This record gives sequence, structure tokens and C-alpha cells, in this order.
Amino acid sequence: EDQVTQSPEALRLQEGESSSLNCSYTVSGLRGLFWYRQDPGKGPEFLFTLYSAGEEKEKERLKATLTKKESFLHITAPKPEDSATYLCAVRQTQGGSEKLVFGKGTKLTVNP
Amino acid sequence: KAGVTQTPRYLIKTRGQQVTLSCSPISGHRSVSWYQQTPGQGLQFLFEYFSETQRNKGNFPGRFSGRQFSNSRSEMNVSTLELGDSALYLCASNPRTGSAGELFFGEGSRLTVL
Repeated sequence: EDQVTQSPEALRLQEGESSSLNCSYTVSGLRGLFWYRQDPGKGPEFLFTLYSAGEEKEKERLKATLTKKESFLHITAPKPEDSATYLCAVRQTQGGSEKLVFGKGTKLTVNP
Repeated sequence: KAGVTQTPRYLIKTRGQQVTLSCSPISGHRSVSWYQQTPGQGLQFLFEYFSETQRNKGNFPGRFSGRQFSNSRSEMNVSTLELGDSALYLCASNPRTGSAGELFFGEGSRLTVL
């Protein structure tokens, strides 16, 4: 069974304090790793797609990287508006069926 | 461009009842996926519809069903509700099939089962 594990479960930062979120996965034949952001009371919002080890994607203060076993979401000089739950997911193909398998997320709080 | 619209946003049901949730995808998107989100299990895939056909299915019991109409709007139904069905039900649309991963989610329907 493919697994996606995110750590830490919760992270509290001061504004401007950079850090990284981790997403480790076990999947046979990765066909895409995806990062989403979810604000309270909202649905997840797509951020990045990564397909191969060594790939990097950036958006404002966020940078996502991928290795053969894990992905990191680096947050540089975060602001309070970056507070949200960050979810990662991998695409799983099993028995002709395809779906996204999500981790349980990292809840990020950035204090002013 | 309007986003994914889900109705109702909140509802309360009692055990044994059934519920129907509705989802209108982004205009032009033909794939609609449904997910259940709970604090303990996180986001779990229910099923995906494309061109009125179920293309992919998660590991949920037969009490959970869905359908898609010719205008791409989708409904999901849960029969014989159990307390454990209390969750946020999220719908996501995509212009292509295959759970491509770059999904556009609605704000969800929060179901409480008493």
C-alpha cells in the first residue's frame, strides 16, 4: 500500500523565520507528487507538481523539491498570510484505477 | 471564471438517513472527483467521473455512490448514514480524466451525522 507521511504535524514560526516541511512517500513508480495549501473552511488549492528527482518548483516564498524518497516544501521569510495546512499527495495507479493519495498535512502558523 | 460550487455547504442528518450532495465543476471541466476529509484519516478518494462514466473508485463501501450528468455536474449519495460518515466532502474538477493531480477543489459540504 502506497504511503504518504508528512512531518511535522504542526509548525509554528515567527514572521521571517524560514523552515521546511517534509513529505516522505513509498510508491512504486512515482507518477507525480503534488503540493496543496488548505485554508480553514476552504478546499485545497493546488501549488506544485513534481515528477522526477532533482526537480524544483518555486512560487513566491515557497519552493518545492523532490528526491527519490521525499519532497520538501521550503518556506523562505514567511508571512502571517502563509499560515495554512500544507498537503502533499502522490498519484497511485492500482488495478487500472488511478487516484491521489494524500498525506495528513502540516499545519503551519506564522506569527507576526 | 467561476470556481467549483458545492451545495449544500452544511447539513445535519441522523443515523440511517441518506444524503445527496451536489457539485458544479468549473466550466469546461469534464472530470469530477469526490474526496472525504476527516481529522483522523485526512483526505481520502471516493470516486471520479468523466463524461458521465465512473473512471476510478476508492475503497469505500457501496453506501457511497455518485453520478455525473451530461452538463458535467455531479452528485454523490450516501445511504444508511453512520456516525463515522461525519466529514467534509470535497469535490474537485479537472479538464482531463485520470486524476491528473492538478485539481480545483470546491469549499466542501460539511456533513454531521447525529
